[in-house]
Amino acid sequence: EVQLVESGGGLVKPGGSLRLSCAASGFTFSSYSMNWVRQAPGKGLEWVSSISSSSSYIYYADSVKGRFTISRDNAKNSLYLQMNSLRAEDTAVYYCARDLGGDRDAFDIWGQGTMVTVSS
Amino acid sequence: SSELTQDPAVSVALGQTVRITCQGDSLRSYYASWYQQKPGQAPVLVIYGKNNRPSGIPDRFSGSSSGNTASLTITGAQAEDEADYYCNSRDSSGNHLGVFGGGTKLTVL
Repeated sequence: EVQLVESGGGLVKPGGSLRLSCAASGFTFSSYSMNWVRQAPGKGLEWVSSISSSSSYIYYADSVKGRFTISRDNAKNSLYLQMNSLRAEDTAVYYCARDLGGDRDAFDIWGQGTMVTVSS
Repeated sequence: SSELTQDPAVSVALGQTVRITCQGDSLRSYYASWYQQKPGQAPVLVIYGKNNRPSGIPDRFSGSSSGNTASLTITGAQAEDEADYYCNSRDSSGNHLGVFGGGTKLTVL
């Protein structure tokens, strides 16, 4: 079964750090670009970051640039998001999502999400 | 960056047809994809590309595009279609799928 499972969420104080992980299974992880998408409570979806299959291309939303770092370990079938200098507005459910690829322009597989709460 | 605009809420009578729209300049160059999200659940891809449905998505869901507007049509809406729907496309640079619409809450009456 094709699956993405996020972990690492929790409660952190403003200015703190957190590292999210996303474990992939059931497909050739190293062949796909991957993304992080977040959703603040009661709000819409917001794309956070993407990384190409070989980590050659990395992009960030302006709202997280300079604070968040996306990475992947293809040997471990895992995607990561290092989040530093966290702010209250970073509070959200964080999803990892697979890019269908090949110019098909879609996120076809999503994890169940992990909640990040930034509060003192 | 760029923006995608959706109506916040739309309603449809059970069994009728409803169209959910998404507007943005990037849609003149790129297709939109559409996601269904029910409360407490992760989004699910329902339409991508010109008009493609992933396996398991009912054929009552279809997509179309004209100019700067993409549309998701549900023909014969069912009670289980009540959900939030989001469109997504590439940003103005074309480098990534970094733009989501604000979402449309679909109510099936």
